[in-house]
Amino acid sequence: EPEVTQTPSHQVTQMGQEVILRCVPISNHLYFYWYRQILGQKVEFLVSFYNNEISEKSEIFDDQFSVERPDGSNFTLKIRSTKLEDSAMYFCASSDVGSNQPQHFGDGTRLSIL
Amino acid sequence: AQSVTQLDSHVSVSEGTPVLLRCNYSSSYSPSLFWYVQHPNKGLQLLLKYTSAATLVKGINGFEAEFKKSETSFHLTKPSAHMSDAAEYFCVVSDGRDTGRRALTFGSGTRLQVQP
Repeated sequence: EPEVTQTPSHQVTQMGQEVILRCVPISNHLYFYWYRQILGQKVEFLVSFYNNEISEKSEIFDDQFSVERPDGSNFTLKIRSTKLEDSAMYFCASSDVGSNQPQHFGDGTRLSIL
Repeated sequence: AQSVTQLDSHVSVSEGTPVLLRCNYSSSYSPSLFWYVQHPNKGLQLLLKYTSAATLVKGINGFEAEFKKSETSFHLTKPSAHMSDAAEYFCVVSDGRDTGRRALTFGSGTRLQVQP
């Protein structure tokens, strides 16, 4: 069964540094998403991406964050200047076009900011 | 606005006994509802979904859930627990059918422990 893959599985970064989290969505999916889960808290929506632009974003997704589809297979989340509170598990997801289509998640990247 | 409340943060059952994980939702629209499972160090796997068809939804691994609009509930059940069912379970709501929005709203999760 096709799956969403995320790399790396664990990323450790110094505060203030830029970090890029990478995702390969399921190949025939057209919607892509990022969510995060801070330790002990709920999974939270960050952003959705369709047709090479952001279709929806949450209040969390401020100017420090950006997303990109640099080629036909990858989908990336960049955090420009990391803060301690960015430490979390980041999940990438993808879905087909229909509004009822479920989102399929990757295994996540654990981001630790020191 | 939409929200999800998972009524139990932790549920412990014996292997072979029934499982009940409770979920209540709130939505201003006709919601789509999902259950996802997360095994340790793994991603979120879709168990089942409700999107306005049959109110009793069957999923993978013997799980099912019933959408009850009058009770705003979407409880997850399984007749007989297996050791491999031990994991974290998330109830999730979307109002995308009516709003076009894609953001999922997650509950806080229920950790299921299965005793031998």
